[in-house]
Amino acid sequence: QKEVEQNSGPLSVPEGAIASLNCTYSDRVSQSFFWYRQYSGKSPELIMSIYSNGDKEDGRFTAQLNKASQYVSLLIRDSQPSDSATYLCAVKDSGNTPLVFGKGTRLSVIA
Amino acid sequence: EPEVTQTPSHQVTQMGQEVILRCVPISNHLYFYWYRQILGQKVEFLVSFYNNEISEKSEIFDDQFSVERPDGSNFTLKIRSTKLEDSAMYFCASYSFAGDYGYTFGSGTRLTVV
Repeated sequence: QKEVEQNSGPLSVPEGAIASLNCTYSDRVSQSFFWYRQYSGKSPELIMSIYSNGDKEDGRFTAQLNKASQYVSLLIRDSQPSDSATYLCAVKDSGNTPLVFGKGTRLSVIA
Repeated sequence: EPEVTQTPSHQVTQMGQEVILRCVPISNHLYFYWYRQILGQKVEFLVSFYNNEISEKSEIFDDQFSVERPDGSNFTLKIRSTKLEDSAMYFCASYSFAGDYGYTFGSGTRLTVV
């Protein structure tokens, strides 16, 4: 059974700070890693994908992957109140295999 | 930006009734999925569909559920004899090997079984 673990939060950060979200996964053969943002009552929205060890930056977002530790993280720089949402970590094997989601971390950015 | 479209946005049904949830995936995507999310819980995989047949299904996807692609655009999830515990958000997703390899999710159908 593949598992993706996230701290459910809430994680509260002041506006302008860096928010750090973490995720661990159980299946070593996982190859693709995704961060989705989900506002309450809405569908998941893809923020970042990462496939290789190291960092990947896209605007204010940086995804970090460490396959040896089976660990993925997401950093949000200059956090804004509009970043307040639940952040879902998802992993998958190769090809068109389904995503396995964590339960998500709720982020609250305080103005 | 291409979208996955789901209808209806909200469906209320009586226990024991059948419901059909509809999805129009992104036109050049070949892989389609249904996920569900019970309130306060994680997004769970139900079924994947490729080349007009189921490619993978989870333990949740039992005989109560079926999927179909009745024409070249729509992708449907049928739930027979609904139960209270089927109340959830149901998300359709489609996927392409091109681009960022992420799955694009539809806006979801909130199913309420009363």
